[in-house]
Amino acid sequence: NAGVTQTPKFRILKIGQSMTLQCTQDMNHNYMYWYRQDPGMGLKLIYYSVGAGITDKGEVPNGYNVSRSTTEDFPLRLELAAPSQTSVYFCASRWDRLNTEAFFGQGTRLTVV
Amino acid sequence: EDKVVQSPLSLVVHEGDTVTLNCSYEVTNFRSLLWYKQEKKAPTFLFMLTSSGIEKKSGRLSSILDKKELFSILNITATQTGDSAVYLCAVRANTGNQFYFGTGTSLTVIP
Repeated sequence: NAGVTQTPKFRILKIGQSMTLQCTQDMNHNYMYWYRQDPGMGLKLIYYSVGAGITDKGEVPNGYNVSRSTTEDFPLRLELAAPSQTSVYFCASRWDRLNTEAFFGQGTRLTVV
Repeated sequence: EDKVVQSPLSLVVHEGDTVTLNCSYEVTNFRSLLWYKQEKKAPTFLFMLTSSGIEKKSGRLSSILDKKELFSILNITATQTGDSAVYLCAVRANTGNQFYFGTGTSLTVIP
């Protein structure tokens, strides 16, 4: 099993550009999450999904969009990149049993200049 | 507001020392508390705690939860340089599907 796979690993964007961070998992997990991690800060939830076709906002959703057309994929879209979106982005997934841990992807380091 | 607070923020110890990392939380309708180790990349899962007073153990690492006082500790005995990492605490509530993460404790073990 590959687990949770994120692409790309690194990206530099110019202000105002757009991009999509890809996340796919092969564990048939219903729950998927997008977090951002800034230096010295904890993981902040951007968006999450409890199944295909269902998404919801987390703590810091502004400037981002998501979609969940399949169980496997949960892409995160930045429409108009801003320097404040410079961060490391993690995708995670978990099974939908009562008490299960989240499995994380390797992260995408995004710099907006 | 739900929150998770970890202490200390950073810690430097010598190999062989024992360390205790703290996690306190204020989360409505607590369900579980999780510890993760984050080295250079993705957090990797260590423990999940749901009941008070029951110690989870894995090698030199152990953790326990106190639901009355709303905190958990992660102990690492006989530390090694490979234990150097950021240790994250996360709490999951019964309502909603979020994990609330603390800012982490950065542990550095020097030879």
